[in-house]
Amino acid sequence: NAGVMQNPRHLVRRRGQEARLRCSPMKGHSHVYWYRQLPEEGLKFMVYLQKENIIDESGMPKERFSAEFPKEGPSILRIQQVVRGDSAAYFCASSPQYQETQYFGPGTRLLVL
Amino acid sequence: GESVGLHLPTLSVQEGDNSIINCAYSNSASDYFIWYKQESGKGPQFIIDIRSNMDKRQGQRVTVLLNKTVKHLSLQIAATQPGDSAVYFCAESRNTGGFKTIFGAGTRLFVKA
Repeated sequence: NAGVMQNPRHLVRRRGQEARLRCSPMKGHSHVYWYRQLPEEGLKFMVYLQKENIIDESGMPKERFSAEFPKEGPSILRIQQVVRGDSAAYFCASSPQYQETQYFGPGTRLLVL
Repeated sequence: GESVGLHLPTLSVQEGDNSIINCAYSNSASDYFIWYKQESGKGPQFIIDIRSNMDKRQGQRVTVLLNKTVKHLSLQIAATQPGDSAVYFCAESRNTGGFKTIFGAGTRLFVKA
C-alpha cells in the first residue's frame, strides 16, 4: 500500500526555467494539497485540489504558479520562470474525501541557480 | 493576523525523560488540531490529533492537551527515545470547503543519550 509519491525528489533549475513537480496521492484519496517549506520554517499552505477542481488556492502566488489534478494521472505543481526565491521544499499531501487527516509525501527539493 | 506559533524553537531532553512541546494558536474558531513529526529530509508524519470539543487525547507514548481558554496546545512524549529527535509542528485545520492546514514554525527536539 504505497504512500504519497512525489517526483522528482530533487530538482535544479536556472532562473527563468520552468519547474514541474508531480504528486501521486495514496490509493483511494481524492484530495491533494500542496505546501511549501523554507529551511527552518513550517509548511505554508498553497493549494487544495480535488480531481479536476481547484477548491482553495488562497496560498498560491498570483503569478507564475499553477496547479492541476487531472482525472487521470498525478497532480502537477507548475512554476514558470523560476526565481531564486522559489528555492524550497514542496510537499504534497492527500486525504480521502471528507477527512481532515492528511498524509504527506517525501517532498521535492527545488534549487534555483 | 491568524497564526499558530510555538513558544520554544529547540528543546533538549535526556533519553528516558518526558518531553513537553507547547504551541499557541490565535483563531478561536479553529476546531481541529494536529501534531506532526518531521525528520530530516522527510515529509511530516501524523502523530496525534484533537478536536476542540476535547481537552485531552492519548496515543502510544504521546498525549495532546488542548486549553481553549488560553488557546494553547501541548504535546507530551513519555520516555523520550533517540528516535523521537525531529522537528515537531502543531497545525490547525480549518474547513474551507476542504481542510486547509496552517502550520506553526516548529520545535526541534534533541534527545541526549
